[in-house]
Amino acid sequence: NAGVTQTPKFQVLKTGQSMTLQCAQDMNHEYMSWYRQDPGMGLRLIHYSVGAGITDQGEVPNGYNVSRSTTEDFPLRLLSAAPSQTSVYFCASSYSSSPNVLTFGAGSRLTVL
Amino acid sequence: KNEVEQSPQNLTAQEGEFITINCSYSVGISALHWLQQHPGGGIVSLFMLSSGKKKHGRLIATINIQEKHSSLHITASHPRDSAVYICAVLFSGGSNYKLTFGKGTLLTVNP
Repeated sequence: NAGVTQTPKFQVLKTGQSMTLQCAQDMNHEYMSWYRQDPGMGLRLIHYSVGAGITDQGEVPNGYNVSRSTTEDFPLRLLSAAPSQTSVYFCASSYSSSPNVLTFGAGSRLTVL
Repeated sequence: KNEVEQSPQNLTAQEGEFITINCSYSVGISALHWLQQHPGGGIVSLFMLSSGKKKHGRLIATINIQEKHSSLHITASHPRDSAVYICAVLFSGGSNYKLTFGKGTLLTVNP
């Protein structure tokens, strides 16, 4: 099925551990992005990419790393997990970065103990 | 700071009722999105609009550029419409990475 696939759906980490959230899309979208969703707050942009080899920081990039080696994949790396990174993470993509409908993944719920 | 305000925060309705959710923003925009998120679920894009009105099934989205306001209407509401509805605004001149999201409206439709 065409869309955005995120893995894993759930993950529990200990403080200081590292991990990678995977995001893949099969719609040939140029624009991909990572958001975090916390209670009482709107979605906040972590990192985004406007094409393979091009990434940039969003509103809350600290503690996260990204790369975009292919059009399809946009993994999000947590370098040294902290309890403040407990959140639900969403990957989203669109045809381009100009005003365009976004397609979201199903979300990844991360708990850092 | 460019802001997006949604009202109400919470809304409870009986099945069959007409629902209105509001979104107000502070300055001019390029586009406005309405999104739907079911409890524990992913986010689905319902509409993207920059003027006028769009309709899909029982859902209608309108925008008034002069008043800086958009509404999402649900006609003949159903329990399966229970979800969080999120307004996201792209302020003028911005790209998708400049979207500003509202905090969402939690809609509960009782049978």
